[in-house]
Amino acid sequence: KAGVTQTPRYLIKTRGQQVTLSCSPISGHRSVSWYQQTPGQGLQFLFEYFSETQRNKGNFPGRFSGRQFSNSRSEMNVSTLELGDSALYLCASSLGGNDVNEQYFGPGTRLTVT
Amino acid sequence: AQSVTQLGSHVSVSEGALVLLRCNYSSSVPPYLFWYVQYPNQGLQLLLKYTSAATLVKGINDFEAEFKKSETSFHLTKPSAHMSDAAEYFCAVSARNSGNTPLVFGKGTRLSVIA
Repeated sequence: KAGVTQTPRYLIKTRGQQVTLSCSPISGHRSVSWYQQTPGQGLQFLFEYFSETQRNKGNFPGRFSGRQFSNSRSEMNVSTLELGDSALYLCASSLGGNDVNEQYFGPGTRLTVT
Repeated sequence: AQSVTQLGSHVSVSEGALVLLRCNYSSSVPPYLFWYVQYPNQGLQLLLKYTSAATLVKGINDFEAEFKKSETSFHLTKPSAHMSDAAEYFCAVSARNSGNTPLVFGKGTRLSVIA
């Protein structure tokens, strides 16, 4: 079974631009979560989508948004990029039921904002 | 609210020695607890999880962790370190009673293994 895939793996953007990252979950998984990883703040939860609906949301500004498609693939968008948005963005998928769910992580997208 | 504290941002052990990575959690409800490993330029891989009454949890690659409610701890151990264990390790917690709540991670512990 294929794992979680994220595209692109690396991205360089300029301040003020916007960016879209993509995540394809494991087949059969309906939940997709996004995390931001930085050296200073560590791993922080951005949001989770389940059946095309945002089910949980972390404490990030509105510049960070996401969506999920009917095939469970998810995208996250960051508008008006700031230098502090430079990070590894990790996507994780799980079955999404109402019990503990193992989250399977993708390799991440390394975003550099200059 | 849940939180995780990992004691020691960097741990160094000799090859063949015991690995002990410490994790303490705070949770207002019974938690689910996880240990993940991250190799350079890769995502996170689940090592093991605690979700039930079995307090000693065995994971992959001979790692295990013991849930101690009285100490609010979930330390990760491995009897004999291997060079391939060098990586970043993250302890995480989520709430038990809210269905698929997000993971809250500790800051991570970087494990170095010396030949």
